[in-house]
Amino acid sequence: ETGVTQTPRHLVMGMTNKKSLKCEQHLGHNAMYWYKQSAKKPLELMFVYNFKEQTENNSVPSRFSPECPNSSHLFLHLHTLQPEDSALYLCASSQGVSQDRNYGYTFGSGTRLTVV
Amino acid sequence: DAKTTQPPSMDCAEGRAANLPCNHSTISGNEYVYWYRQIHSQGPQYIIHGLKNNETNEMASLIITEDRKSSTLILPHATLRDTAVYYCIVGRGGGSSNTGKLIFGQGTTLQVKP
Repeated sequence: ETGVTQTPRHLVMGMTNKKSLKCEQHLGHNAMYWYKQSAKKPLELMFVYNFKEQTENNSVPSRFSPECPNSSHLFLHLHTLQPEDSALYLCASSQGVSQDRNYGYTFGSGTRLTVV
Repeated sequence: DAKTTQPPSMDCAEGRAANLPCNHSTISGNEYVYWYRQIHSQGPQYIIHGLKNNETNEMASLIITEDRKSSTLILPHATLRDTAVYYCIVGRGGGSSNTGKLIFGQGTTLQVKP
């Protein structure tokens, strides 16, 4: 357990379904991130949230809709996905930057999504 | 954010040191070098990071050249459980004053063999 919890671990959904992925961290971190990892590809950054505000959308299609109600929770709402959206979706969080230290990311275990 | 170059794959004998190189010739002065690893189908795991000094923790050592254009991650006694994809990333991390993002490349697939 890394301190970042993602649910569900596995999800199979049809192209007309609506589902949501959940990410939760109790590390006191201020920033949260969604990444997508397709088979045999590097991680792709999707969204960045800083103090609940979205600061980056990396040209993600609107069928992916993030929500960050507070600094500890992050959701990814899914609607009318395509089979090529099947991937491992990873959530991460990070702490602030100070003058004498810099902090990396803590990742969750991911949600393995299959769109049929 | 600066880009990194890593060999796509490496082998290492169990019990020996694994030395994973990374080139980051365009690194800027305020960017850190981070190393993560990803064991099959799990989330990436933080290993170590540094700015300009060499760093060591319970998992690994990080050697950064004086000009900061390259670095080496050293796993002193590799075990079979160290088989994973290792990512070298440069960036400013994230947080309250800077949502610097970490961009992952292809990484190096390290295969530790008995």
